[in-house]
Amino acid sequence: DAMVIQNPRYQVTQFGKPVTLSCSQTLNHNVMYWYQQKSSQAPKLLFHYYDKDFNNEADTPDNFQSRRPNTSFCFLDIRSPGLGDAAMYLCATSRDRYNSYEQYFGPGTRLTVT
Amino acid sequence: QQQVKQSPQSLIVQKGGISIINCAYENTAFDYFPWYQQFPGKGPALLIAIRPDVSEKKEGRFTISFNKSAKQFSLHIMDSQPGDSATYFCAAGDSNYQLIWGAGTKLIIKP
Repeated sequence: DAMVIQNPRYQVTQFGKPVTLSCSQTLNHNVMYWYQQKSSQAPKLLFHYYDKDFNNEADTPDNFQSRRPNTSFCFLDIRSPGLGDAAMYLCATSRDRYNSYEQYFGPGTRLTVT
Repeated sequence: QQQVKQSPQSLIVQKGGISIINCAYENTAFDYFPWYQQFPGKGPALLIAIRPDVSEKKEGRFTISFNKSAKQFSLHIMDSQPGDSATYFCAAGDSNYQLIWGAGTKLIIKP
C-alpha cells in the first residue's frame, strides 16, 4: 500500500543534543510537510516543500531545519532541542500544491526531551 | 482573519446519537473545507471535504453542512459509534494552498 512512513516512532533525546527525524513516502507526491503537534492541539505547520522549493513558516524557530534530498525522503533536524520541543512530529504529503487540502499523514514521531 | 474557530472543544454522545461539530471562519477567500479525523497515537486522516459552491456533502454516516452566507460549516455524524471516538479537526484551504486548522474537538461516544 502506498503510504507515508516515519522513523523512528519514538525518539528520546537529551536537552541540546541534535536529533534527526525521517519521513519517506511511496505516494510519489510532489509536496511534503512537517508539522509539530502538542497534546490536545491542532498540528502546527513548520515548513513544506513544493518539489525542491523549500517554504519556511514565519514563526518556525531557527532551531528547526529540514532537508529533502529526493522526492521520497524528507528529514527534520532539531539542532538543539529544548524541553519545549517535546511533541509529536507529523510528516504529511499532498499530490501537488493545488490539492493541499488533501494531505496524507504518517503515524508521527513522538519526541521526548530529557 | 485567517482563523478557523471550532466548537465544542469536547463532546460526549451516546451510541446511536448524532454528533455535531461546528466551525466558523472569516476569510471569504477560503475555497476548500476538509475535516480530518485523528485517533490517539496516529496521524490525522482526511474524512470528508466540501467546496463553498455546495451546501451539503454526505459520505456514509458523515455529512458536512455548509452555510456560505454565515461563514459556517459543520460535521454531523449520524448513528455515532464507539469507533468514532477520536479528535476531529476542521480546516480551511486558502489561496496560498495551505490549510488553516481549527483547534480540534475530542469526541467520545459512550456505549
